[in-house]
Amino acid sequence: DAKTTQPPSMDCAEGRAANLPCNHSTISGNEYVYWYRQIHSQGPQYIIHGLKNNETNEMASLIITEDRKSSTLILPHATLRDTAVYYCIVRHTGANSKLTFGKGITLSVRP
Amino acid sequence: GAVVSQHPSRVICKSGTSVKIECRSLDFQATTMFWYRQFPKQSLMLMATSNEGSKATYEQGVEKDKFLINHASLTLSTLTVTSAHPEDSSFYICSAYSPANSGNTIYFGEGSWLTVV
Repeated sequence: DAKTTQPPSMDCAEGRAANLPCNHSTISGNEYVYWYRQIHSQGPQYIIHGLKNNETNEMASLIITEDRKSSTLILPHATLRDTAVYYCIVRHTGANSKLTFGKGITLSVRP
Repeated sequence: GAVVSQHPSRVICKSGTSVKIECRSLDFQATTMFWYRQFPKQSLMLMATSNEGSKATYEQGVEKDKFLINHASLTLSTLTVTSAHPEDSSFYICSAYSPANSGNTIYFGEGSWLTVV
């Protein structure tokens, strides 16, 4: 699976949008972009995934560039409970396709 | 999303004993389950992939005789840490997946803290 690159950390103010970038320049055509987050001492929580179109659900929006080499996860109105490590992972969806975690980006939401 | 549950959430065992951690998919049948380990301030590291009814596939460097994985049914996988030592103390996390039932998404359990004393 292609590797992803994320900045180590960022912060944003409560109530503002949090835009988390991810680079995946070696992504191949059958690989999806997945986002998970891990709040301290808990298992990862699925947020959203996409192939090439932008996606939105009740938690976030995922914007994928046209060349698919990068993406941005948007939390539209960050709250203190969104403070977590966010992982951007590229994965194909064949049998036994696994999630390989990098270091992720630590998002700190400040009051 | 789908629900994956682990038990116990925390366990303390004595050095040299074995401890079993269960992972259950509560609302879907999981053909594949994954086991991860996470040390403090580090990322998740995949230990093994298990498919229902077959032997687990272990990642390089993970001792299969020490970390026994059983995936006997479509809703249950177990990880047994045999002859545990203090260095096995870690956060163990399972995840479950089924192309037919969970779509393209892998769901994670809450994790299990193991402390070996």
